[in-house]
Amino acid sequence: DTAVSQTPKYLVTQMGNDKSIKCEQNLGHDTMYWYKQDSKKFLKIMFSYNNKELIINETVPNRFSPKSPDKAHLNLHINSLELGDSAVYFCASSQEGSDYGYTFGSGTRLTVV
Amino acid sequence: AQSVTQLGSHVSVSEGALVLLRCNYSSSVPPYLFWYVQYPNQGLQLLLKYTSAATLVKGINGFEAEFKKSETSFHLTKPSAHMSDAAEYFCAVRNQAGTALIFGKGTTLSVSS
Repeated sequence: DTAVSQTPKYLVTQMGNDKSIKCEQNLGHDTMYWYKQDSKKFLKIMFSYNNKELIINETVPNRFSPKSPDKAHLNLHINSLELGDSAVYFCASSQEGSDYGYTFGSGTRLTVV
Repeated sequence: AQSVTQLGSHVSVSEGALVLLRCNYSSSVPPYLFWYVQYPNQGLQLLLKYTSAATLVKGINGFEAEFKKSETSFHLTKPSAHMSDAAEYFCAVRNQAGTALIFGKGTTLSVSS
């Protein structure tokens, strides 16, 4: 049973479209995250979210918005996709106050054409 | 602000040779440090973590890392490389607010026979 699962694994779409990436964790963690990995493999935090607050990296365009229907899910919605949004997006989860690091999903490769 | 610097974007070793991947950190508070491995087209897997307990940390797959405060370092080592160790390795530090892991730029490890 996959701990952190993301769908879809691959997503190819045209510029200007709106798309969503879904993430679910079955670890009982209370905090979830979205990271972006660019073509040089650099990982950058986009959002962290638990039931108390959403923390947004100030460099993330407001076209990106996280949506959490419940504690086990954190979806990423992207409006008006641009070529520069092409990247691999990773979802992760952790337990607040724990020192066990983050558990990552296997990633979603987004290609904007 | 917390940060990590990984020295050497690419390290090549022969099978059976010592693996040494370097990571230096910057932190205004006692750091929580992590090493993750990423195999091609996969997510990140936690190798090991330092959370202010023992300075020599043992992880999975025979890897270990030593926390040296005087040198602000957390280098990753493995006595004998295996072909299956070829991957991307990331050092990370938890930010001061505890809301994100900040990653280094990664080191690609190649292992030749």
